[in-house]
Amino acid sequence: GAVVSQHPSWVICKSGTSVKIECRSLDFQATTMFWYRQFPKQSLMLMATSNEGSKATYEQGVEKDKFLINHASLTLSTLTVTSAHPEDSSFYICSVQTVREKLFFGSGTQLSVL
Amino acid sequence: GESVGLHLPTLSVQEGDNSIINCAYSNSASDYFIWYKQESGKGPQFIIDIRSNMDKRQGQRVTVLLNKTVKHLSLQIAATQPGDSAVYFCAEISIQGAQKLVFGQGTRLTINP
Repeated sequence: GAVVSQHPSWVICKSGTSVKIECRSLDFQATTMFWYRQFPKQSLMLMATSNEGSKATYEQGVEKDKFLINHASLTLSTLTVTSAHPEDSSFYICSVQTVREKLFFGSGTQLSVL
Repeated sequence: GESVGLHLPTLSVQEGDNSIINCAYSNSASDYFIWYKQESGKGPQFIIDIRSNMDKRQGQRVTVLLNKTVKHLSLQIAATQPGDSAVYFCAEISIQGAQKLVFGQGTRLTINP
């Protein structure tokens, strides 16, 4: 498997500020990472696919200018929620894909925007 | 669009009993299915997987059954323990398109002492 570290575990911020979430693959060089969002009592929804050294691929309906993804190395992908608003409050989870289809998830980041 | 759904959103069983969580999928082209367990405030944890060329796979206390005829997937947990209380998601990957993992709705399993 792969060990995936996500930081921070939770963050509270004021409306209009930006928040950066880090996802690290500790023991695997990940060319591809995924970012999911999960609202309370709902399933995980894929937001974007993070590709090392290239632009991320966003799912339909996800604003790429609002959710900035940077995958500058094989072990780190970051998600920045820009100008956060209360409706962006959610549980954000990253995952690393190792061998075909096997995904390992980070522990998630609970974002609360006041 | 394609979707993966669950029949029951909540399930309560007595400790020690067996539990069965069901999942229906709609994409007949899916060739790989995974069950995840998610505890409160944590990321999903891999439980067991099955490929479409199989109809049953067993792990430690867990069994996954796949019925491709009716597009149905189930997760059986034997001799449930309090630590099994969590939300369980089924997920699928289609051999077509971008091979993105699609999650089902989820079922909350509660183990009663």
